[in-house]
Amino acid sequence: EAGVVQSPRYKIIEKKQPVAFWCNPISGHNTLYWYRQNLGQGPELLIRYENEEAVDDSQLPKDRFSAERLKGVDSTLKIQPAELGDSAVYLCASSLEWVHEQYFGPGTRLTVT
Amino acid sequence: AQSVTQLDSHVSVSEGTPVLLRCNYSSSYSPSLFWYVQHPNKGLQLLLKYTSAATLVKGINGFEAEFKKSETSFHLTKPSAHMSDAAEYFCVVSNTGFQKLVFGTGTRLLVSP
Repeated sequence: EAGVVQSPRYKIIEKKQPVAFWCNPISGHNTLYWYRQNLGQGPELLIRYENEEAVDDSQLPKDRFSAERLKGVDSTLKIQPAELGDSAVYLCASSLEWVHEQYFGPGTRLTVT
Repeated sequence: AQSVTQLDSHVSVSEGTPVLLRCNYSSSYSPSLFWYVQHPNKGLQLLLKYTSAATLVKGINGFEAEFKKSETSFHLTKPSAHMSDAAEYFCVVSNTGFQKLVFGTGTRLLVSP
């Protein structure tokens, strides 16, 4: 069974540029999560989807971050414009339902210069 | 609000010796507690979970953890370290099962030959 797929794995951009991350969850998983992991820290939840609906986006900085999950499968997380403080690893996870174990992808390492 | 404190940022052991990674938690309710492992360039993987059943929890790869309510601790142990155990370990707490995970800052385990 394929795991959670994320792309790109690495991204280097200049500040004020836009950037997008893509996530393909495990087939059949209804719940999808985006996390941000700063250097030396644990992951922090940005947004949780149940199918197409964002049910918890309280930690998403909505002035520059946006996310979508069209058709309840793949998801895209966007930052526009990026700031130096956005440098981090962005992790995607999925689970069968919200009560079940989350499976994590390898993450996208973003460096903003 | 719930939180976890991982008492050591780095732990160094020799191969074949015991491993102890310490975690204290804070929670207003009966918590669910987890340990995740993160190998370089790999996704986070669930090692074990405690969800109010047996207080001694066995996980994968020979790891186990004991829930001690009186000490608000959930330490991770393994009798004999292997080189492949070298990774970052995260203690995680939740009041809502897997829905809203709160990660600690991580402990890096170094295993020397």
